[in-house]
Amino acid sequence: DAGITQSPRHKVTETGTPVTLRCHQTENHRYMYWYRQDPGHGLRLIHYSYGVKDTDKGEVSDGYSVSRSKTEDFLLTLESATSSQTSVYFCAISESKGSSGSYNEQFFGPGTRLTVL
Amino acid sequence: AQSVTQPDIHITVSEGASLELRCNYSYGATPYLFWYVQSPGQGLQLLLKYFSGDTLVQGIKGFEAEFKRSQSSFNLRKPSVHWSDAAEYFCAVGAGSGYSTLTFGKGTMLLVSP
Repeated sequence: DAGITQSPRHKVTETGTPVTLRCHQTENHRYMYWYRQDPGHGLRLIHYSYGVKDTDKGEVSDGYSVSRSKTEDFLLTLESATSSQTSVYFCAISESKGSSGSYNEQFFGPGTRLTVL
Repeated sequence: AQSVTQPDIHITVSEGASLELRCNYSYGATPYLFWYVQSPGQGLQLLLKYFSGDTLVQGIKGFEAEFKRSQSSFNLRKPSVHWSDAAEYFCAVGAGSGYSTLTFGKGTMLLVSP
């Protein structure tokens, strides 16, 4: 299994509070991703990173920010949590972009269950 | 932009019966295609992948998938389902050479009856 950990694994917080989720990898992969998973929606990309300090928005980035100061860590921050951000959050990593001979398969962490009351 | 459709939200199969999960994609050129499986409370695990070559690809746990360009499909199959196969299955597409992100379908939940 790819060396990906997420912390915390479970969190309950109140509306309006800031929340930071951490993804840590030991694979030295260049790409890192944050997804949220909700019933009926599958996985939706929030933000991703293609290198230290290099990030881009995904499909559902509103209300979220990210930072990557080291190759191994990718942080997801909810500046002011809302009940609509109650979800399961997954981090994924990938060695490279998709190209001839490279599939860009993504490897997933165990997830963080976040509940915003 | 590419998209992925998994038409079946839930499927129930008897243990020992064959399985086919459907996946249709929308993309103009040859896509990179993936199937992932998620057991309850777990992250996603890659089952198999396709980019080029033989259109029938073999994966882990006895799964296979067939790419059909004419039907824009990448259906997942297994000849004999085991109770441990009960999980949610996701199809994903990467849009051509140089892509950075994957687009996932909404998933199909597989239930296995005794």
